[in-house]
Parts: sequence; structure tokens; C-alpha cells
Amino acid sequence: AQSVTQPDIHITVSEGASLELRCNYSYGATPYLFWYVQSPGQGLQLLLKYFSGDTLVQGIKGFEAEFKRSQSSFNLRKPSVHWSDAAEYFCALNTGGFKTIFGAGTRLFVKA
Amino acid sequence: DTAVSQTPKYLVTQMGNDKSIKCEQNLGHDTMYWYKQDSKKFLKIMFSYNNKELIINETVPNRFSPKSPDKAHLNLHINSLELGDSAVYFCASTSRGLAGSAGLETQYFGPGTRLLVL
Repeated sequence: AQSVTQPDIHITVSEGASLELRCNYSYGATPYLFWYVQSPGQGLQLLLKYFSGDTLVQGIKGFEAEFKRSQSSFNLRKPSVHWSDAAEYFCALNTGGFKTIFGAGTRLFVKA
Repeated sequence: DTAVSQTPKYLVTQMGNDKSIKCEQNLGHDTMYWYKQDSKKFLKIMFSYNNKELIINETVPNRFSPKSPDKAHLNLHINSLELGDSAVYFCASTSRGLAGSAGLETQYFGPGTRLLVL
């Protein structure tokens, strides 16, 4: 069965520091992969997505993610975090149909 | 102009009551979803409709009944509410996309309905 694992329940980084959020997936072929962000009290918003081609994907708000087939990973990165990036981040997987499977989320805290 | 809207935003009710949550999207999308997010932020799909037809029905108690009067609306009715139904319920929508690529489409989420059952 397909699954998405986000190993870190929460992460704290200092403002201006770099960020990497981990995501691992389980699926026999190459899935469609997504990162969504949920600000407090809001719905989810797409940051970026990957389905083929260049394994480094650029998204909104300065985020990028790299697909590594050998590691079944799709980690999200940002070179310099801003206080407004504090939110819940969800990695998600879709195998081509209507059902998307979400990871449990990683809560990002940003300290001044 | 809100793309995906939900009403109400907050819902506090007693156990055993029946309540409905409404969702509307003005994006012209063909597919709509209901998700449940529990207190640990885990997001689980409940239902999906494509062109008013039910296409995903996860293991959800039959007290939950979705209804799609048209492509732009997907409502969720809950009978005999229980304490465990307390959660945030999100509606989302996607376009159909190209043939065979429905899974690649971006989901647009509503702001959520926070349901508290007392």
C-alpha cells in the first residue's frame, strides 16, 4: 500500500537559517508528489509538485524540493527561513487517480 | 473572491444532533473532496465526487452522507453526532486535468469547518 512518512513531528529553526523538511514515500513506481503548507486556522495551499523531469522542483515562497528515487524521498528546502514560514507542512502522494495520501505533517517553529 | 468556501466556519453542537456543512467552489472544477483533520493534524480523505458522481468513499461511518447537488457544491451531512466526530473538516476541489493526469492536479482547499461535539 502507498504511504507517506514525515519523520519529524516538529522542527524549530532560527529566522534566516536554512530549512529541510523530510518526506519519504512508499510506492513501487514514481508517484506524483506534493508539498502543501497550512498556516494556523487556514486550509492547505500548494507549495510545489513533482511528476517527472528535473528532480529539483521550484515552488512558491522560495521553497524547493528534490526527488530522490533511490531514497524514496522528496525533501523540502528553503535557504533562509522567515518568521512567516511558521506553519504545518504536509507531504503528499498520488499514484494517478483521485486519491491523494497525506503525511502526518511537520510543524515548523521559527525563532527570532 | 473566495475560491473554495465552507459554511459554517465553526460548529459547536451536542452529541446526538444532526448537522450539515456546506462547500462551494467557484473555480469551475469537476472534482470535490471532503477531508477530516484530527487533533494531531492528520488529514484523511473521506469522500470525493467527480461531476456529481461519488468516486471515493473511504471507511467512514454511514452517519456521514455527502451530497453534490451540482459540480460547484459538495455538502456533508452528519447524523447522530458523536464526540469522536470533533475535528476540522476540509473541502477541496481539483480540475479534471488531462486524461490520465487527474492525480497531478493541485487541490484547492477551503478554510475548514471546526466541529466540536459536546
